[in-house]
Amino acid sequence: NAGVTQTPKFRVLKTGQSMTLLCAQDMNHEYMYWYRQDPGMGLRLIHYSVGEGTTAKGEVPDGYNVSRLKKQNFLLGLESAAPSQTSVYFCASSYPVKTSQGNIQYFGAGTRLSVL
Amino acid sequence: QKEVEQDPGPLSVPEGAIVSLNCTYSNSAFQYFMWYRQYSRKGPELLMYTYSSGNKEDGRFTAQVDKSSKYISLFIRDSQPSDSATYLCAIHSGGSNYKLTFGKGTLLTVNP
Repeated sequence: NAGVTQTPKFRVLKTGQSMTLLCAQDMNHEYMYWYRQDPGMGLRLIHYSVGEGTTAKGEVPDGYNVSRLKKQNFLLGLESAAPSQTSVYFCASSYPVKTSQGNIQYFGAGTRLSVL
Repeated sequence: QKEVEQDPGPLSVPEGAIVSLNCTYSNSAFQYFMWYRQYSRKGPELLMYTYSSGNKEDGRFTAQVDKSSKYISLFIRDSQPSDSATYLCAIHSGGSNYKLTFGKGTLLTVNP
């Protein structure tokens, strides 16, 4: 049971290049999330998904796109990378929100992205 | 006013000390309170989870929620160098709301 797995772990891009970050979870979670973490800014939600085939915008969605074609996978795409997208990206997943459990999210190890 | 406020520290203590980490929040609708621990260059991992007010203890860790003051705390007894990490509080309002609101984290160093 690996939990939440992110690939790649590190990546360096040049401005204008594109890339896709992959998140895979083996916990049969319905909900999945993409965050970015920057010094002094904390975790900020980029996009999220409440089920296969559905996605929605979070707090900072500009410059990113996502897809959830399979329940276990959530992809984050950068179409034209900018230096402002240099960050650490975390994927998380959770069960559907239930009144007795709140929204406990389980995180991957992160992807460190530098855009030059 | 920010939804969740957390002193970023850094906090440096000697081994064996009692550590107190705190967050304040503004929305009285919040019902679920969590603490995540994040080691350097790793993802956050759930440490403690509490519903509504009161205390919850797990080994050397105690989570405390005071809803009347909108104040949550994490206490670490007999702190160890392995406790050195960033601690993030996270709060959820319950119901069907997907959003988990995080504090910015407090960096703790426990010195041997």
